[in-house]
Amino acid sequence: DAEITQSPRHKITETGRQVTLACHQTWNHNNMFWYRQDLGHGLRLIHYSYGVQDTNKGEVSDGYSVSRSNTEDLPLTLESAASSQTSVYFCASSGQNSYNEQFFGPGTRLTVL
Amino acid sequence: LAKTTQPISMDSYEGQEVNITCSHNNIATNDYITWYQQFPSQGPRFIIQGYKTKVTNEVASLFIPADRKSSTLSLPRVSLSDTAVYYCLVGTQGGKLIFGQGTELSVKP
Repeated sequence: DAEITQSPRHKITETGRQVTLACHQTWNHNNMFWYRQDLGHGLRLIHYSYGVQDTNKGEVSDGYSVSRSNTEDLPLTLESAASSQTSVYFCASSGQNSYNEQFFGPGTRLTVL
Repeated sequence: LAKTTQPISMDSYEGQEVNITCSHNNIATNDYITWYQQFPSQGPRFIIQGYKTKVTNEVASLFIPADRKSSTLSLPRVSLSDTAVYYCLVGTQGGKLIFGQGTELSVKP
């Protein structure tokens, strides 16, 4: 069955380190998204991609970057981790003709000390 | 992007019908209304989407009045497993989805 996976599921890192969170989907979806979820804020969009080589900034993109070299993967990089980036991160994907029906991964809980 | 307003929390009992209303006064002509469900420690899950009138699937119904300034998610005969946070989103196909704080539904025995 097609799925979307994230790794690692839990990560503890130190301030200033570079961290990369992986997202892999086997739906063959063009659209992929990264969100973060914090108490009191719901989910906030970090970056998104509508296809290979396409990336766009969301509402909270500062300090994060993504690259899309193939259809299946959209890794999220924290260039220099900060304590304010402690959060739960969700990756999602959607098909060409069903943008609003996004399939979410299980999430990565990141703690920056 | 249209802003949505929905109750922060709701309580219900098993077997009851639950209606969660969302206001989106500034909805644009091309906007769709989408609802998601999220359980603790899981990613959100798509429930239903509509543009106007009524949409029904195996888990819920979505009622949208003619002016489209609000919508109501209806969950028939809820069970304890329906305890979750429900998000109402408004956006165009191909546009970005903006998640608000959602409605925390608590179903009691």
